[in-house]
Amino acid sequence: SQKIEQNSEALNIQEGKTATLTCNYTNYSPAYLQWYRQDPGRGPVFLLLIRENEKEKRKERLKVTFDTTLKQSLFHITASQPADSATYLCALALSGTYKYIFGTGTRLKVLA
Amino acid sequence: DGGITQSPKYLFRKEGQNVTLSCEQNLNHDAMYWYRQDPGQGLRLIYYSQIVNDFQKGDIAEGYSVSREKKESFPLTVTSAQKNPTAFYLCASSIQGMFMNTEAFFGQGTRLTVV
Repeated sequence: SQKIEQNSEALNIQEGKTATLTCNYTNYSPAYLQWYRQDPGRGPVFLLLIRENEKEKRKERLKVTFDTTLKQSLFHITASQPADSATYLCALALSGTYKYIFGTGTRLKVLA
Repeated sequence: DGGITQSPKYLFRKEGQNVTLSCEQNLNHDAMYWYRQDPGQGLRLIYYSQIVNDFQKGDIAEGYSVSREKKESFPLTVTSAQKNPTAFYLCASSIQGMFMNTEAFFGQGTRLTVV
């Protein structure tokens, strides 16, 4: 069956450290993968997109990697800040469809 | 400002009632989506629409209905057939294109509670 897995346990890290979140998927062939941030009681907000033929993408303190062999994406926040505390969702966009498939999200808490 | 607007923010439904959630966008996007979010679960796709007057069922369409009479609007009706409607509902839109290499824009959500 098709699955997208993100670590359901909350991730607590100290301010200034690098946070690394994982997204694993099975039985999908995504055209590209996206990461979103969601704050409590609000809609997700787009952060980064990476295509299947790209290995890495960066935006300011954010970095995403995409390994289609391992079927895994890693999302890194460097020099983390308490304001980065939120739930982070990965999403797959399937080639040939207009569907976005979302993972369950990982809650990140950055401790001051 | 361009964006996607959901209303109301909070909605209470009595048993046996149908309720309609509003979603409007002024981003000129062709594609629109409805998701449901429950605690500890990912966003689950209810319906999506690629173009006006056309929509497809998602993974959990039972007990829901939609319409797409205008490009800007994609209302969701939660019918009495939906047995567990209490959830956070999210509407989204995206540009329809050949390569689909764009993000989804989300509204702020509607929290529906059955009383």
